[in-house]
Amino acid sequence: NAGVTQTPKFQVLKTGQSMTLQCAQDMNHEYMSWYRQDPGMGLRLIHYSVGAGITDQGEVPNGYNVSRSTTEDFPLRLLSAAPSQTSVYFCASSYSNPASGRVHAGELFFGEGSRLTVL
Amino acid sequence: AQSVAQPEDQVNVAEGNPLTVKCTYSVSGNPYLFWYVQYPNRGLQFLLKYITGDNLVKGSYGFEAEFNKSQTSFHLKKPSALVSDSALYFCAVRADAGNNRKLIWGLGTSLAVNP
Repeated sequence: NAGVTQTPKFQVLKTGQSMTLQCAQDMNHEYMSWYRQDPGMGLRLIHYSVGAGITDQGEVPNGYNVSRSTTEDFPLRLLSAAPSQTSVYFCASSYSNPASGRVHAGELFFGEGSRLTVL
Repeated sequence: AQSVAQPEDQVNVAEGNPLTVKCTYSVSGNPYLFWYVQYPNRGLQFLLKYITGDNLVKGSYGFEAEFNKSQTSFHLKKPSALVSDSALYFCAVRADAGNNRKLIWGLGTSLAVNP
């Protein structure tokens, strides 16, 4: 099983450029999410989705857009990159929303990460 | 408000010695507690969770965690550390009910196991 696949693994952008980080999962998970990981700040939730056609904001959504047209894919778009968006980005999926009362809630499957540098 | 603390940024242990990575939490109601591990340049991997039942939870790679309700702690343990256990460990918590059941993450503890 491929699990959660993220592309690209590395990307360098100039300020103001746009790009999309791709995330795909082959486990038929209903929940998908994007986190950023920064030194000393741990993991912060950017956006999440509880199913196709449904997205919501996490704790640090500004500067990022998402969409969920299929169960498998959950791309993260940076419309106008800023140096503050330099980070490592992780896509994570789960059978169900971590905030639900369902059995596997909170058991997230993470991708390998995408390291983004904005100059 | 919900919170989780990992009081040690770094833990150093010798190979073969027992290890403990600490986690304390604050939630309204009963907690759901999780441990994840992140190896260098990799994504996080789920290790174990506590929902209810036995206070000692066993997980992957020989790790276990002890839930202590009175001390609001969920420390990760392993009886005999391996060099390959060197990684970043994250504790996470959420409440079991109510309007605020989001997953809250600790800042991580870097574990170094020395040969």
